[in-house]
Amino acid sequence: EDQVTQSPEALRLQEGESSSLNCSYTVSGLRGLFWYRQDPGKGPEFLFTLYSAGEEKEKERLKATLTKKESFLHITAPKPEDSATYLCAVQGAQKLVFGQGTRLTINP
Amino acid sequence: GAGVSQTPSNKVTEKGKYVELRCDPISGHTALYWYRQSLGQGPEFLIYFQGTGAADDSGLPNDRFFAVRPEGSVSTLKIQRTERGDSAVYLCASSLTGLRGANYGYTFGSGTRLTVV
Repeated sequence: EDQVTQSPEALRLQEGESSSLNCSYTVSGLRGLFWYRQDPGKGPEFLFTLYSAGEEKEKERLKATLTKKESFLHITAPKPEDSATYLCAVQGAQKLVFGQGTRLTINP
Repeated sequence: GAGVSQTPSNKVTEKGKYVELRCDPISGHTALYWYRQSLGQGPEFLIYFQGTGAADDSGLPNDRFFAVRPEGSVSTLKIQRTERGDSAVYLCASSLTGLRGANYGYTFGSGTRLTVV
């Protein structure tokens, strides 16, 4: 059974303080690892898809990396508007299996 | 439309009642997914449609839950004899294919918040 575990559950940072979120996974035949951002009361918003170990993708202050067992979402010099819940999901067959998310708070 | 539309945005119903939740996917997206999200948790898979047919309904918790997509576009999630434990946000997503969802991932709607009292 496909499984995703995210850590930490919650993270508080000061503005400008860089850090990383972890996503550990087990899946039968990875077809994609997805990162989403979710704001309160909204649906998940797509950030990245990674397909193979060693792949990296960047978007503004975010950078996602992938190994055979985990993915990291690196946040460089974050701003208060980066505060949100970040969700990781894997696709083995057709459906996405999500982790429980990391709730990130950036204090000004 | 420009995005995935879900209606209603909020639904309060009494225990034992029947409810229908609607999802209008992005035009041309063949794959449609329903997820359920409880407070503080990640979305949990319910059912996946490829075109008009349910390709995977393994996430439906019991036979009170049913979903249809008769014309391969709009989908309706139906819940009979609602229970307080059904309270959650029900999310719908669509994608261009059932495999990788193109390069844009799966596009989610804002969800329907269902409260059973």
